[in-house]
Amino acid sequence: AQSVTQLDSQVPVFEEAPVELRCNYSSSVSVYLFWYVQYPNQGLQLLLKYLSGSTLVKGINGFEAEFNKSQTSFHLRKPSVHISDTAEYFCAVSDDLRSSASKIIFGSGTRLSIRP
Amino acid sequence: KAGVTQTPRYLIKTRGQQVTLSCSPISGHRSVSWYQQTPGQGLQFLFEYFSETQRNKGNFPGRFSGRQFSNSRSEMNVSTLELGDSALYLCASSLGDITDTQYFGPGTRLTVL
Repeated sequence: AQSVTQLDSQVPVFEEAPVELRCNYSSSVSVYLFWYVQYPNQGLQLLLKYLSGSTLVKGINGFEAEFNKSQTSFHLRKPSVHISDTAEYFCAVSDDLRSSASKIIFGSGTRLSIRP
Repeated sequence: KAGVTQTPRYLIKTRGQQVTLSCSPISGHRSVSWYQQTPGQGLQFLFEYFSETQRNKGNFPGRFSGRQFSNSRSEMNVSTLELGDSALYLCASSLGDITDTQYFGPGTRLTVL
């Protein structure tokens, strides 16, 4: 079965510093990969997604992620974080490439806290 | 364009009762998926409805059921509530293809006493 591992449950970072949130998935078949953000008391919002093509994916709010098939990783990065980036971040994967399904497996989440 | 709305936002029930949660998708979206979020188990997929048919299901007991109406609005029902059912229930809507972005609602916080 497909699974997603987010290696860090919490990441504290100083404001304006760079950040990387790590994500590994366990599939040797073609997958779709996603990063979602959840702000306190809110639902999830899609940051970016990898479907195919270029391995470097750019998303909203200055985030980007790189798909690495050989290492089965999809790490999320931002060169300079802001206080407003404080949230929980979820990596997700789907290996169900049928056009008629939308089942997604989520990682356990990484809580990003920004220190002034 | 209005986002995904979920009602109610908060709910308190006692063990053994049943509960119905509602989700109104973004206009034009035909797919609605439901997820359960708990501190211990994280985000888990419950089921997905597309054009009034369940087309995907997670690993939850039969106490969890759902349906979708012709206007794409969806309801989720949990019967015989257990303490472990306390969670944030999120729904997400999309046009229906796996490549389409899912838009999440704010969730319904269910507390079972």
